[in-house]
Amino acid sequence: AQKVTQAQTEISVVEKEDVTLDCVYETRDTTYYLFWYKQPPSGELVFLIRRNSFDEQNEISGRYSWNFQKSTSSFNFTITASQVVDSAVYFCALIRTSGTYKYIFGTGTRLKVLA
Amino acid sequence: DSGVTQTPKHLITATGQRVTLRCSPRSGDLSVYWYQQSLDQGLQFLIQYYNGEERAKGNILERFSAQQFPDLHSELNLSSLELGDSALYFCASSEGISNYGYTFGSGTRLTVV
Repeated sequence: AQKVTQAQTEISVVEKEDVTLDCVYETRDTTYYLFWYKQPPSGELVFLIRRNSFDEQNEISGRYSWNFQKSTSSFNFTITASQVVDSAVYFCALIRTSGTYKYIFGTGTRLKVLA
Repeated sequence: DSGVTQTPKHLITATGQRVTLRCSPRSGDLSVYWYQQSLDQGLQFLIQYYNGEERAKGNILERFSAQQFPDLHSELNLSSLELGDSALYFCASSEGISNYGYTFGSGTRLTVV
């Protein structure tokens, strides 16, 4: 069975601090995709990144970076120099490449960035 | 704007009632997915349609049903509503049957009172 665990329920940081959101996944599949989504207070789901299981290269996009480690089944997300606008719930998710192409979401991490 | 349109944005209704949520997929997308986000269950996959046909079913209650019409828009029908059905319902779309990742709409917030 597939599972995504986001152990951090809520994190509070002060603006300009760096913060890392953890994501650990379980799957027996050899190929799969991992995602991060942001859900701001307005409620929509905003796509941040997709990574396939064969690509362990870390990625940086502005203040955002992602660290994918297949050996530890982790796909962590770091925000550098956090800003108040980063306050949101962040979801990590996995999609299989066979069977039902549904997202398996983690329970989310609520990030509060204080001014 | 993601290109996936959901209406209405908010809906308040009483227990026992029936509602219909509507979704227009992104232009060119043939697959439509429905998800429910509730406080106790998190984000859960409900059902997928591809080009008018049901492709996959998730944790969808028997009181809920969906369909995809020839113009590719989809409707999610929720009947005999209970307080626990209060949730944010998301629609998403993708081009094919098995796209790895798709675009979400902004959701319909359903409140059952």
